[in-house]
Amino acid sequence: KNQVEQSPQSLIILEGKNCTLQCNYTVSPFSNLRWYKQDTGRGPVSLTIMTFSENTKSNGRYTATLDADTKQSSLHITASQLSDSASYICVVSARSGGSYIPTFGRGTSLIVHP
Amino acid sequence: KAGVTQTPRYLIKTRGQQVTLSCSPISGHRSVSWYQQTPGQGLQFLFEYFSETQRNKGNFPGRFSGRQFSNSRSEMNVSTLELGDSALYLCASSLPVGGAKNEQFFGPGTRLTVL
Repeated sequence: KNQVEQSPQSLIILEGKNCTLQCNYTVSPFSNLRWYKQDTGRGPVSLTIMTFSENTKSNGRYTATLDADTKQSSLHITASQLSDSASYICVVSARSGGSYIPTFGRGTSLIVHP
Repeated sequence: KAGVTQTPRYLIKTRGQQVTLSCSPISGHRSVSWYQQTPGQGLQFLFEYFSETQRNKGNFPGRFSGRQFSNSRSEMNVSTLELGDSALYLCASSLPVGGAKNEQFFGPGTRLTVL
């Protein structure tokens, strides 16, 4: 059964600090790994997308890494801002015919305090 | 360019009723996927439609169904509602191009409450 585990479940940091979120997965056949940011009451917004051959991808202050051998990914947030307070969701997709089937992690709830 | 729109935004139904949710994708997007999000299970994939055909389906009972129209708009239907169907239902659209890095754009969701 395909699974995606995220840690920590929740995290509180001070504004300006860095943090790293973790994602471990067992998804086969692996196609891609995505990180999403979801603000309360809104739909998720894509931060990064990585395929098997990519081991790092940046989007502003967000940097995702992927280790396909150990099936682990991390999302590093640099110089956090109050607006970073949100749920961060790791999604790993398996190739299925001409499409992809996603498996979602439960998310990490990040709170940034001033 | 307008984003993905979902209607209605909020809905209250009682057990046993049925409900239809609507999703209008971004112009030019032909793939539409539906997801259920609950506090207990998180986000779960329901189904994906492309060119009016269901391309993939998640592990949900047959009470959950959907369809896509020729203009790529999509609807999902839940029959015989149960309390556990209370959730945020999200729709996402993407371009018709293939590839593992095809980006999905989510709508704001429909909050369904079953009493």
